[in-house]
Amino acid sequence: DAGVIQSPRHEVTEMGQEVTLRCKPISGHDYLFWYRQTMMRGLELLIYFNNNVPIDDSGMPEDRFSAKMPNASFSTLKIQPSEPRDSAVYFCASSPGGQAGSYEQYFGPGTRLTVT
Amino acid sequence: GQSLEQPSEVTAVEGAIVQINCTYQTSGFYGLSWYQQHDGGAPTFLSYNALDGLEETGRFSSFLSRSDSYGYLLLQELQMKDSASYFCAVRDLDSGYSTLTFGKGTMLLVSP
Repeated sequence: DAGVIQSPRHEVTEMGQEVTLRCKPISGHDYLFWYRQTMMRGLELLIYFNNNVPIDDSGMPEDRFSAKMPNASFSTLKIQPSEPRDSAVYFCASSPGGQAGSYEQYFGPGTRLTVT
Repeated sequence: GQSLEQPSEVTAVEGAIVQINCTYQTSGFYGLSWYQQHDGGAPTFLSYNALDGLEETGRFSSFLSRSDSYGYLLLQELQMKDSASYFCAVRDLDSGYSTLTFGKGTMLLVSP
């Protein structure tokens, strides 16, 4: 398998613009996670899905953030409108179900977002 | 809520042994994971401890003491390529057992 795939790898946008980040999880994995990583706050969980259903979005910072998973092989994280403080690396991760799925997550390469 | 404490930076020389500690406070603790992240890369899974004791995987070992809310990652025969950030992460009741809460990470610098 190719692993978790994210696009774009880099995104530079102006404040107020809409940003859409994309993720393709590993085939057969039941869980999908979206994280944000910054120097100040570390690695934060934003939202996670189980079998395409959003389970916990309490980490989503504001209503400007939304995430969808229309099918088992695709998820998006959207920021609208974007702000400079959203600049970070956004990771998507997936994991299989069962015991191992709880603690062994496979991360994508990340999207480095810069909002000017 | 949860809190995890780990040193921000550790330095060591090639061939040496280094221990990265992690202490945690959490409700309904279930297990402790360790991840490695090279600069500019993605976190990758190293190990998991749910029970007290030492788990060994090649040059890396991980230890857990549930009674002390403490764990560590032990890296032996250090190599330059081990220079990276290392994160401990807890699986617990607060995270619904399905997710992980990550510490801030420890940057390991290995010098020749």
